[in-house]
Amino acid sequence: DAKTTQPNSMESNEEEPVHLPCNHSTISGTDYIHWYRQLPSQGPEYVIHGLTSNVNNRMASLAIAEDRKSSTLILHRATLRDAAVYYCILASTSGTYKYIFGTGTRLKVLA
Amino acid sequence: GAGVSQSPSNKVTEKGKDVELRCDPISGHTALYWYRQSLGQGLEFLIYFQGNSAPDKSGLPSDRFSAERTGGSVSTLTIQRTQQEDSAVYLCASSLVGTSGYEQYFGPGTRLTVT
Repeated sequence: DAKTTQPNSMESNEEEPVHLPCNHSTISGTDYIHWYRQLPSQGPEYVIHGLTSNVNNRMASLAIAEDRKSSTLILHRATLRDAAVYYCILASTSGTYKYIFGTGTRLKVLA
Repeated sequence: GAGVSQSPSNKVTEKGKDVELRCDPISGHTALYWYRQSLGQGLEFLIYFQGNSAPDKSGLPSDRFSAERTGGSVSTLTIQRTQQEDSAVYLCASSLVGTSGYEQYFGPGTRLTVT
């Protein structure tokens, strides 16, 4: 199964940009890269996803390396409400369907 | 509109008992997913439904676990002869269609405690 590797934790100051990295060296051509976040005592919340090109939405930006073996979630201005565990996931429907969550990155935002 | 709902929100059961967990997906969503999350851990994929069919059941931890979906809507996850290691939060999600290009919407989860 394709897997992702993320740092266990990161810290950021409020109002500053945050770059959350993810390595996925075993990605296949049909795998989408999804990001979700989970606030305490809640279910995960969709953030953004992409296949090959960089993506922007109201929550964040996703930068995907040219070889697709890594990606970076960018929060442009971190707020205290962005403190959560961020999961980078490879979503594949090639062959056996798998949606593998890793252990995620716990983001701490400092006021 | 209404999001994904799950019931019960909390369930305490004795070891060896059977439990049923229910998931109501977002109306019109054809794909439904079950995950579980043990305390302090990431999410573990269990099973995925497209319509009423489950193309992949390999994520189910043992044959004590089963799931069904009827009418392309509500799904039930059943755990037979519960064990203490089954204690976890069970999360359900749905998406418009079951391809990797669509985001999933998660419910609040059912916290299962096996005593």
